[in-house]
Amino acid sequence: DAGVIQSPRHEVTEMGQEVTLRCKPISGHDYLFWYRQTMMRGLELLIYFNNNVPIDDSGMPEDRFSAKMPNASFSTLKIQPSEPRDSAVYFCASSLARDYRFFGPGTRLTVL
Amino acid sequence: GQQLNQSPQSMFIQEGEDVSMNCTSSSIFNTWLWYKQDPGEGPVLLIALYKAGELTSNGRLTAQFGITRKDSFLNISASIPSDVGIYFCAGQYYGGSQGNLIFGKGTKLSVKP
Repeated sequence: DAGVIQSPRHEVTEMGQEVTLRCKPISGHDYLFWYRQTMMRGLELLIYFNNNVPIDDSGMPEDRFSAKMPNASFSTLKIQPSEPRDSAVYFCASSLARDYRFFGPGTRLTVL
Repeated sequence: GQQLNQSPQSMFIQEGEDVSMNCTSSSIFNTWLWYKQDPGEGPVLLIALYKAGELTSNGRLTAQFGITRKDSFLNISASIPSDVGIYFCAGQYYGGSQGNLIFGKGTKLSVKP
């Protein structure tokens, strides 16, 4: 079975550019989560969806961040405009109801 | 809000040694999870604990859900080089936003052959 798929694996961009991260959850999972990992703050939950509907976006840092889930097999996290402090590893995870979360391999974002 | 204190932050051990790490909180959790993250990868679930007092093993790994529901530990016996990585505890509770999961800051394990 394919796990959670994320693309790209690495992204280097310049400050001010738009960045779009993509995620394909495990088929059949009804929860999708976006996390950000940094040395300073560890793993932070940004937003999560249940059945494609955003449930809690209180972790989204600011209006520059937005996330969508147009269907059960695809989600995007967009940063516009990007800033150097957005540099981090972004993980997508999915789960079935109350079960534990399966993480993707992450996207390492570097904003110059 | 809920917070987890995970210790130690890092460990440097010799191959063959046993390892112990733990997580504590001032809050009660319904589920404790232990994940391992290899360099350049996402966290992978090692063990899930659902009941206070529960002791669960997965090969050389053993984890326990504390009786008070506020702590958990993970032991690794006879460490090997592939145990290297960052180990995260995570506590899950069901209040407010459903299925909220709080992660510890991680324990970075280095194993010297």
